[in-house]
Formats: sequence, structure tokens, C-alpha cells
Amino acid sequence: DTEVTQTPKHLVMGMTNKKSLKCEQHMGHRAMYWYKQKAKKPPELMFVYSYEKLSINESVPSRFSPECPNSSLLNLHLHALQPEDSALYLCASSQDGAGVDTQYFGPGTRLTVL
Amino acid sequence: GESVGLHLPTLSVQEGDNSIINCAYSNSASDYFIWYKQESGKGPQFIIDIRSNMDKRQGQRVTVLLNKTVKHLSLQIAATQPGDSAVYFCAEVSNDYKLSFGAGTTVTVRA
Repeated sequence: DTEVTQTPKHLVMGMTNKKSLKCEQHMGHRAMYWYKQKAKKPPELMFVYSYEKLSINESVPSRFSPECPNSSLLNLHLHALQPEDSALYLCASSQDGAGVDTQYFGPGTRLTVL
Repeated sequence: GESVGLHLPTLSVQEGDNSIINCAYSNSASDYFIWYKQESGKGPQFIIDIRSNMDKRQGQRVTVLLNKTVKHLSLQIAATQPGDSAVYFCAEVSNDYKLSFGAGTTVTVRA
């Protein structure tokens, strides 16, 4: 089973709202990732968690706040977003945090900020 | 089959023909490469990977070729089917362990 699940599938929020994106995997992977993908562009790395600790933050604005409650779950808390933050947010996981293992992606959450 | 020598953003291929998608990577120190397929409204799906100590790897209907001399990666799809229509991304893992994606090629299969 190489499934990564993400909820919700779609999310519409105002600039003053607080919302969270959720990601889950049961493959025993110890590294989890958040990516942002704009239309017709490749995914861009935002955060990497390795063994439940934040190992990479690609200079992401503080209005995005990641959280890894346990090795199977990854959240992305959203607050005071801007319309330009509208995008597909992808979660991925891999065997470990060394990065030389295959990353498996979830279906994404389509976020629209009004 | 149809092929492109340089990376192009789009590729149109007749159903049943072979497709070749090309990708140039930037970091000569990269030692792991992956091809992903992304269908509309879905996340990237792993297709095939190759490590730098190999120059060819075959899967089911797909073959990846790696030319380290010119830093070039290609994905060959045999007997292209309508379900192969998607955006294809090459990705490299560089020495900072980050996965870097190429620009992507949109493949459209003509019936």
C-alpha cells in the first residue's frame, strides 16, 4: 500500500479564517513533506519533517504553520492567508528523511483564498 | 514513435505509438532520479526511478535512460494509451537531499 491521504479535497477560505489541512500515511514512513503547486507549474517544497521533527523550512511565510503530531500524521495550519496562496497543497512521505528514497504523494487539497 | 531532443512543454502522440519525454537536470552530484505522472486533479504518481550507478531501467511499458555525461534523463513509454495523457515531471535528488522537479511535459494522446 503506497497511499497518502489528504483532507479536505477542496477548501475555500477568507483571508481572516483559520483552517487546517491534514495528511495521513500508514506505510511506516518516517519523513513527510508539504509542497505547494500552482497551476501548470511543478511542486515546490515547503516543509520537511524527519522522525517527527521539522528538518527543512523553505523560508515559508509564518501564516503557514506545519505540525507533525505523530509519525503517521502531518498538518498544515493556515491563518491570515492571501489570495496568492491559492494553490494545490500536496503532502508526500518517504521511508526516511535522507531524501534518497521515493516520495509518495497524496491527491492534494485544492485551496482557494478569497 | 515520437520524440523530442530537447525538453518541450507539450508532446502530442498518436495512440499506439511510442513516446519519449526528455529532461535535463542541473546538478552533476545528483544520484537519484524519479519520473512522476500527474493527471488532472490528482497528485504526482511515481512511475519509475533510477540511481546514478545505472544508465537504463525498465518497468512495465516504461523505460528510463540516464546519460550522466550530458546530464540528461529520458522516459520512454511504449504503445502509448489514452490513459497515459498527463503531465510528466522528472525529479532529481541533489546533495542537499531535496527533491527538485523539472518544468514538466504535458502529454496528449490522439485517438
